[in-house]
Amino acid sequence: DGGITQSPKYLFRKEGQNVTLSCEQNLNHDAMYWYRQDPGQGLRLIYYSQIVNDFQKGDIAEGYSVSREKKESFPLTVTSAQKNPTAFYLCASAGGATYEQYFGPGTRLTVT
Amino acid sequence: AQSVTQLDSHVSVSEGTPVLLRCNYSSSYSPSLFWYVQHPNKGLQLLLKYTSAATLVKGINGFEAEFKKSETSFHLTKPSAHMSDAAEYFCVVSDPYNNNDMRFGAGTRLTVKP
Repeated sequence: DGGITQSPKYLFRKEGQNVTLSCEQNLNHDAMYWYRQDPGQGLRLIYYSQIVNDFQKGDIAEGYSVSREKKESFPLTVTSAQKNPTAFYLCASAGGATYEQYFGPGTRLTVT
Repeated sequence: AQSVTQLDSHVSVSEGTPVLLRCNYSSSYSPSLFWYVQHPNKGLQLLLKYTSAATLVKGINGFEAEFKKSETSFHLTKPSAHMSDAAEYFCVVSDPYNNNDMRFGAGTRLTVKP
């Protein structure tokens, strides 16, 4: 069963704590992406990785960090430096000739 | 820089009537264009894509979109709305010459009334 998995679906943390969101894909895609979605808004790119052991900042990278040690995995850490971390986080991967992105089911993070 | 504008933040239709969700894009190159659908608290699902082949693109669930270069538009249509079409729809432009950088519109919320 191919696809992208994100875990957990819901995550609650206290302010000041770092938290890591998981994203795994078995589509053999080279590229992976993290987006943030706030109510009534489109998606904003946090980080992306075109290949293993390499990643670039997106439009809103401050307060976030990532790693890409394996092709299948692209975890996102929301650090205590992120001023407004409560949001819906979406992971995507892309590959093939047309390079459209395939999305995971998302993780809703609530920080209080 | 490329960008996309979805002209309506909210569209409401009656079940069985046509759907029109409008999207205009801006791109320096011949872009790839996509429509995605998102149901509440879910990820995004690809509806259809344009990649410089046929200008009329057919997607899943009866949706289609027409690429009009002269109007820089890529509007999404469906002849007859179904209750299950109620969702958020995103128009996306991708630059294949810039690491496939994808830019999302703000989204259009489609409501379908019985």
